[in-house]
Amino acid sequence: DIQMTQSPSSVSASVGDRVTITCRASQGISNWLAWYQQKPGKAPKLLIFAASSLQRGVPSRFSGSGSGTDFTLTISSLQPEDCATYYCQQGNSFPITFGQGTRLE
Amino acid sequence: EVQLLESGGGLVQPGGSLRLSCAASGFSFRTYAMSWVRQAPGRGLEWVSVIYSDDSGTSYADSVKGRFTISRDKSKNTLYLQMNSLRAEDTAVYYCATYRRTFDIWGQGTMVTVSS
Repeated sequence: DIQMTQSPSSVSASVGDRVTITCRASQGISNWLAWYQQKPGKAPKLLIFAASSLQRGVPSRFSGSGSGTDFTLTISSLQPEDCATYYCQQGNSFPITFGQGTRLE
Repeated sequence: EVQLLESGGGLVQPGGSLRLSCAASGFSFRTYAMSWVRQAPGRGLEWVSVIYSDDSGTSYADSVKGRFTISRDKSKNTLYLQMNSLRAEDTAVYYCATYRRTFDIWGQGTMVTVSS
């Protein structure tokens, strides 16, 4: 199974800050990497697919990069509504696996 | 409006069975692979199962293999998850989602609690 490791597990930031979350795969997954945002009591929401493609309707302050084993999600200027937990997910092979999540406060 | 609506969750005793349903609307259900993803209370996301768009195959997480069965009825635009031999560790919110290497569209989830 491919293990997905996110860091940090939690991060505290201020409005306007630039925030970066990293995700490392235990083996190469090409660009089959997605990022999700989840707010309490809600379903996850797709932000980024194919490592760097922005899902329709997602603000442009969100961006993704990376390929192979190392990936990043960047929020260029943090907004209050960005407080949530963020997950990465690999779609390269079964079983599909998620990172453990990063709580952004 | 694109929508997935899960139902069928509830309280069940260990060893019991439950069938979840996921009604799809607003998109071409028959052309999408569909999946179930669960989230135990206070925990992260765990993929459970997927069924391909042409019904050519299914795949399961090891944790549910042999106990859960995914299926779909294209005439009803509905996805199912038959869950047998339930365990306490199956307690979670179960989400259905479309799958194309990523989970694009999600339902709101249905809670399954396995407890005596």
